[in-house]
Amino acid sequence: GAVVSQHPSWVICKSGTSVKIECRSLDFQATTMFWYRQFPKQSLMLMATSNEGSKATYEQGVEKDKFLINHASLTLSTLTVTSAHPEDSSFYICSGHREGGQETQYFGPGTRLLVL
Amino acid sequence: AQSVTQLGSHVSVSEGALVLLRCNYSSSVPPYLFWYVQYPNQGLQLLLKYTSAATLVKGINGFEAEFKKSETSFHLTKPSAHMSDAAEYFCAVKAGGYQKVTFGTGTKLQVIP
Repeated sequence: GAVVSQHPSWVICKSGTSVKIECRSLDFQATTMFWYRQFPKQSLMLMATSNEGSKATYEQGVEKDKFLINHASLTLSTLTVTSAHPEDSSFYICSGHREGGQETQYFGPGTRLLVL
Repeated sequence: AQSVTQLGSHVSVSEGALVLLRCNYSSSVPPYLFWYVQYPNQGLQLLLKYTSAATLVKGINGFEAEFKKSETSFHLTKPSAHMSDAAEYFCAVKAGGYQKVTFGTGTKLQVIP
């Protein structure tokens, strides 16, 4: 199978600090990775699409300066929430699209962020 | 443009009863369709997917879904509900080669013993 991991799984931080979330594809190369945000009892909302070695494409309404995405290698993408505020508290999920694979995204287990 | 509508945010069934979760899609090109399951505080797990092959798709844990183009539907079914099926289920659509996946709002399945 195709496994995607996220680290950390849980993070609590103070308002104003920055938090970095890592997304790794463990057994495949992910040419494209996606970052989603999920509010309680709601669906996943796509935040951005990142392709290895290029700038991420952000969805409308997502602040690119606040949610910094780096996709430096085919197995690692990072999401940095800069100057986090309580309204950024959410469940962040990444997924990877395998090059040459079928039309499937493989999801990480998610990272729960709580900003105090 | 693509979208997916899940009818019913909450569905309750008795253990052993039929599970039916409804999903209707909209896509300007032949779609790929997916059902995912999410357990509390976890990521999404793929149950099954339709990628233009057989219209009746069998997935894991005894679930299956049928693609009906005339009805633009992709309903998820399971003949006999198990307590472990209690979770949230998301239907999703992807328009052909375009990689963006659009998710429905989810249906929370409750299984009553």
